[in-house]
Amino acid sequence: SAVISQKPSRDICQRGTSLTIQCQVDSQVTMMFWYRQQPGQSLTLIATANQGSEATYESGFVIDKFPISRPNLTFSTLTVSNMSPEDSSIYLCSAGTFNEKLFFGSGTQLSVL
Amino acid sequence: GDSVTQMEGPVTLSEEAFLTINCTYTATGYPSLFWYVQYPGEGLQLLLKATKADDKGSNKGFEATYRKETTSFHLEKGSVQVSDSAVYFCALSDSGYQKVTFGTGTKLQVIP
Repeated sequence: SAVISQKPSRDICQRGTSLTIQCQVDSQVTMMFWYRQQPGQSLTLIATANQGSEATYESGFVIDKFPISRPNLTFSTLTVSNMSPEDSSIYLCSAGTFNEKLFFGSGTQLSVL
Repeated sequence: GDSVTQMEGPVTLSEEAFLTINCTYTATGYPSLFWYVQYPGEGLQLLLKATKADDKGSNKGFEATYRKETTSFHLEKGSVQVSDSAVYFCALSDSGYQKVTFGTGTKLQVIP
């Protein structure tokens, strides 16, 4: 199994600022993903974090708004840029090895004022 | 595209009651189906899975059967406990375990 540490666990930010969320896995994994869970809605995949190359974004999400890094097999960051109140959500990191189950971090609860 | 629809909550049950949480899906091909659980203050955990039609996933007394004819994957437990209080997410994936599509989640509260 894999243990995922995500930080910060929560933050309150001002409109127009940026926040970087870190995700650390305790073992090497093939796949890392970032999800968003808006209030009262399901989890939505933002992007696949690719080690050593640009992330693969889902429809509706762009790199300028959600830049992602993955410098190695155990670490990734998601930045929420130029935040607005609509970005208030829970952001979740997940990780796994191909064809094995995914593990999830406990999430970052972001509130934008 | 793929989608998952599950019953809205919250669901409140007395201890030892029978639980059903309905889940239906829309997908191309033959997806794998999952139930994830999120206990208060913790991350999502895989509860059970089924990878083909008529498969039954089971874990911790919970069961769900992959019904291709009704495109359903309902979660059941015969006797719930207070410790089962959590949010339950139905989900599917067309690509093994990755790129999972989730339902909106159903909050279960079990009272003594």
